[in-house]
Amino acid sequence: NAGVTQTPKFQVLKTGQSMTLQCAQDMNHNSMYWYRQDPGMGLRLIYYSASEGTTDKGEVPNGYNVSRLNKREFSLRLESAAPSQTSVYFCASSATGYEQYFGPGTRLTVT
Amino acid sequence: GQQLNQSPQSMFIQEGEDVSMNCTSSSIFNTWLWYKQDPGEGPVLLIALYKAGELTSNGRLTAQFGITRKDSFLNISASIPSDVGIYFCAGRWNNDMRFGAGTRLTVKP
Repeated sequence: NAGVTQTPKFQVLKTGQSMTLQCAQDMNHNSMYWYRQDPGMGLRLIYYSASEGTTDKGEVPNGYNVSRLNKREFSLRLESAAPSQTSVYFCASSATGYEQYFGPGTRLTVT
Repeated sequence: GQQLNQSPQSMFIQEGEDVSMNCTSSSIFNTWLWYKQDPGEGPVLLIALYKAGELTSNGRLTAQFGITRKDSFLNISASIPSDVGIYFCAGRWNNDMRFGAGTRLTVKP
């Protein structure tokens, strides 16, 4: 049982480049989430999807877009990366919306 | 927005000691959760609390949902070296989940 998987594990981008972070879960959870984690700060919610076909903005959505491709997959896209988006990105899923299960993270550096 | 204040920021303790950390907020939450994060990994859920006043244990861990719904604490008894990591509190109100900045725990053998 893989739980929540994320790809890639590491990525370096130049300012202005675009990329998509992939997330998949095999727990049949309805809800999925994208967070960013910066040094000395807690996780901050970027976007979430309460169910297949819906997405909503979280606390820090600017500069990001998301796609809930199907029940298993939820991707995060950076259209034009900026140094301020250097962070560790975590995907999470939940059956109830309360207890969330996290993936291993993607470490992104934008130069 | 809702902000969580987690303290202490870091703790250095001796193996066998008990540990206490807490989270406070100016806003109420209807769920409190505690997570542990090891280096290079995602957070792992330790305890979830759903009712004001609820006291829940998970092995050597005990957490409580404050009566005012604005705070929560986590206790770890008889710490061991594998307790090392960063502990995060999280409060949930409807679809909004907020995390504290974390308590970094170091356990000296």
